[in-house]
Amino acid sequence: DAGVIQSPRHEVTEMGQEVTLRCKPISGHDYLFWYRQTMMRGLELLIYFNNNVPIDDSGMPEDRFSAKMPNASFSTLKIQPSEPRDSAVYFCASRLAGGQETQYFGPGTRLLVL
Amino acid sequence: GNSVTQMEGPVTLSEEAFLTINCTYTATGYPSLFWYVQYPGEGLQLLLKATKADDKGSNKGFEATYRKETTSFHLEKGSVQVSDSAVYFCALSDRGNNRLAFGKGNQVVVIP
Repeated sequence: DAGVIQSPRHEVTEMGQEVTLRCKPISGHDYLFWYRQTMMRGLELLIYFNNNVPIDDSGMPEDRFSAKMPNASFSTLKIQPSEPRDSAVYFCASRLAGGQETQYFGPGTRLLVL
Repeated sequence: GNSVTQMEGPVTLSEEAFLTINCTYTATGYPSLFWYVQYPGEGLQLLLKATKADDKGSNKGFEATYRKETTSFHLEKGSVQVSDSAVYFCALSDRGNNRLAFGKGNQVVVIP
């Protein structure tokens, strides 16, 4: 399998612009997770889906952030409008059902908001 | 709630030295425990895991034993290489919870 695929790998944008990050999970995986990683706050879970349904979005910073999973093979994380403090690396991860199952991470999208 | 604590600060050591990274956890149930590694510019990769007490996870010369009595899952390697330079994260997954709780991570730098 190709693993979790994320695009773009790097994104530079100006404050106020809309940013869309994309993720393709591993085929057959039931869960999809979005994380944000910064030096200050470490690795934070933003939201996760089970069978395309959002289960817990309590980590989403504010209304500027939204995530969708229209089908089992695609998810987006959108920031509108973007702010400099959103600069971070955003990871997508997926896994099978079951509490002992491993989460597999994508390579991440490095976002810089100027 | 569930939480993971890793020792503070980066770890710098010479090639072939012994590595230990401490990890302790708090959990309400019977969690599975994981070590993930992040190489520069990459995503997190599973290094090893253990799913019940006294289990030992091992991979690439790294080992960690699930100690329920001390709520610990310390990572060890007997002889590190420069290629082991990375950030290491301890994490737990409670069986009743689909989330992973991560520690803050430890930067390991191995000097030739």
